[in-house]
Amino acid sequence: QKEVEQNSGPLSVPEGAIASLNCTYSDRGSQSFFWYRQYSGKSPELIMSIYSNGDKEDGRFTAQLNKASQYVSLLIRDSQPSDSATYLCAVFLSGGYQKVTFGTGTKLQVIP
Amino acid sequence: EADIYQTPRYLVIGTGKKITLECSQTMGHDKMYWYQQDPGMELHLIHYSYGVNSTEKGDLSSESTVSRIRTEHFPLTLESARPSHTSQYLCASSGGSGSYTGELFFGEGSRLTVL
Repeated sequence: QKEVEQNSGPLSVPEGAIASLNCTYSDRGSQSFFWYRQYSGKSPELIMSIYSNGDKEDGRFTAQLNKASQYVSLLIRDSQPSDSATYLCAVFLSGGYQKVTFGTGTKLQVIP
Repeated sequence: EADIYQTPRYLVIGTGKKITLECSQTMGHDKMYWYQQDPGMELHLIHYSYGVNSTEKGDLSSESTVSRIRTEHFPLTLESARPSHTSQYLCASSGGSGSYTGELFFGEGSRLTVL
């Protein structure tokens, strides 16, 4: 079982719709959770961090965390063609080996 | 905007050559990382450092080596490059502590092609 799992997509949504991206993780000791956006040929860029159960909103982005279900999601409201990218879910596990583990990413395509 | 720089951005070299990929950050971050990523594939951690004179290997076995003599500098070296080393190498840093350690800032990457 992979430590962080995402559907690779592509997820296609029409412009103006809500895009919903999902991620599950295997280690219950995971402490913090991140969403990175990676445009084709570019480096990942941090767009959202979430540390406690519930929702966290930042502009058109909402991150949701459910530690009991080991589930993280990212909602993008009013999707724009410029949101077309690969979205990487990342999980931080503290302890002896503090590391950030990335999922394989979900490719999002916003259709004009 | 993050201030983390990688050079060269692109490198094409022949088999057997020694190469060093440079990574520098001006944010005073104590933690630095090297990831390897093939096109359309996931990120793999190959090296990390939590401070000066501290380096560890990551999840993906790599023939490269790293050093951390100064806080701002984290170079990666391949003593003898092979075609299997062809990939994108991404350097990242983090200044956070505890749970904030996962907030990484990435450089623009070094794309290496070994012929």
